[in-house]
Amino acid sequence: ELKVEQNPLFLSMQEGKNYTIYCNYSTTSDRLYWYRQDPGKSLESLFVLLSNGAVKQEGRLMASLDTKARLSTLHITAAVHDLSATYFCASPQGGSEKLVFGKGTKLTVNP
Amino acid sequence: DVKVTQSSRYLVKRTGEKVFLECVQDMDHENMFWYRQDPGLGLRLIYFSYDVKMKEKGDIPEGYSVSREKKERFSLILESASTNQTSMYLCASTMGPANYGYTFGSGTRLTVV
Repeated sequence: ELKVEQNPLFLSMQEGKNYTIYCNYSTTSDRLYWYRQDPGKSLESLFVLLSNGAVKQEGRLMASLDTKARLSTLHITAAVHDLSATYFCASPQGGSEKLVFGKGTKLTVNP
Repeated sequence: DVKVTQSSRYLVKRTGEKVFLECVQDMDHENMFWYRQDPGLGLRLIYFSYDVKMKEKGDIPEGYSVSREKKERFSLILESASTNQTSMYLCASTMGPANYGYTFGSGTRLTVV
């Protein structure tokens, strides 16, 4: 059974600082997805990583995938308040279209 | 842009009522999903569908059923609503293969009293 674990689950950081969220998954996959959720809202797609070594960047966020280590990272550079949200990673189960989600990392960026 | 529309943003229903949650997507996606989201438990898959009239149970199907009579519409049915079904319900769709991940609807916050 596929398990997807994120850490940390809660992250409070100051504006201007850097930090990394980690996503480990338990079974082999060459795809990994990152989503953002604002309070009371639905999930919005951030990154789709489709191969080992894939790196995607948008603004202050950069995601990478290491399929051998079964690890994806979401790196935050010089955080700003607008990045405050909950971030989810997800991995497909058994090559299917079903995604298994991590529990989410609630990020709070303080001025 | 793909749109996934959930018919209700907020719903309040009484225990024992039959509840229908509707989801419509406008991009001819074959795959559609229903998740529920609860604090501390993350997103859990209730049911999914790969094609019209085709459905498969997810991880927590008990107390729920689904209907997919047309490709664009995937309905979640609570046969007899209970208070432990109070939750945020999220519908999602994707084309296959899922190179683009899911597109989620805006969610329905259901309260069963």
